[in-house]
Amino acid sequence: EVQLVESGGGLVQPGGSRRLSCAASGFTFRTYWMSWVRQAPGKGLEWVAFIKEDGSEKYYVDSVRGRFTISRDNARNSLSLQMSSLRAEDTAVYYCARWWHDAGYDHWGLGIRVTVSS
Amino acid sequence: DIQMTQSPSTLSASVGDRVTITCRASQSILSWLAWYQQKPGKAPNLLIYRASGLQIGVPSRFSGSGSGTEFTLTITSLQPDDFATYYCQQYKTYPFTFGQGTKLDIK
Repeated sequence: EVQLVESGGGLVQPGGSRRLSCAASGFTFRTYWMSWVRQAPGKGLEWVAFIKEDGSEKYYVDSVRGRFTISRDNARNSLSLQMSSLRAEDTAVYYCARWWHDAGYDHWGLGIRVTVSS
Repeated sequence: DIQMTQSPSTLSASVGDRVTITCRASQSILSWLAWYQQKPGKAPNLLIYRASGLQIGVPSRFSGSGSGTEFTLTITSLQPDDFATYYCQQYKTYPFTFGQGTKLDIK
């Protein structure tokens, strides 16, 4: 069974940093592109970042480029999102999601909440 | 960035109804479109891929169509479990973008 479990969320002060992690199991992690998608309270889904199977390509939405870094450790079946210079507008539930080969995100974690507030 | 616009934003319907949600892209995305269903407090669930492909395990009352800039998600014979929010997503060009969502509620 595919499982994606996020961790690392919590309350962060504006300007602060936070690292989110996603532990993957139940599939061959190294063969899938992976993403972070977020959802601000009461709002829609926002695509945040995307990383190729081997980590050689990374893509970001403009609003986080230069502040967030997506990475992966295929030996540990782990996906990460390093977030810095956090702003109130980064407050959201962050989902780890598996990209199913040119089709869509077919598996999602339960999500982890990040709140940026003083 | 490619903008995705869904209509309507809210849709009220009854069990047994047929409903259609529209998603328009600001430029052609060919057939690189997915549809998701999301229930409150839950992660999204992939329903349709490549505009019309039915994801494994998704009931056949869900269907998708369209190409280029205009797409539709149709649900025939609404069931109680279908009342949720639906999102389209393009994956032609980075950043992949979602529509703003369509909330389907009970009339």
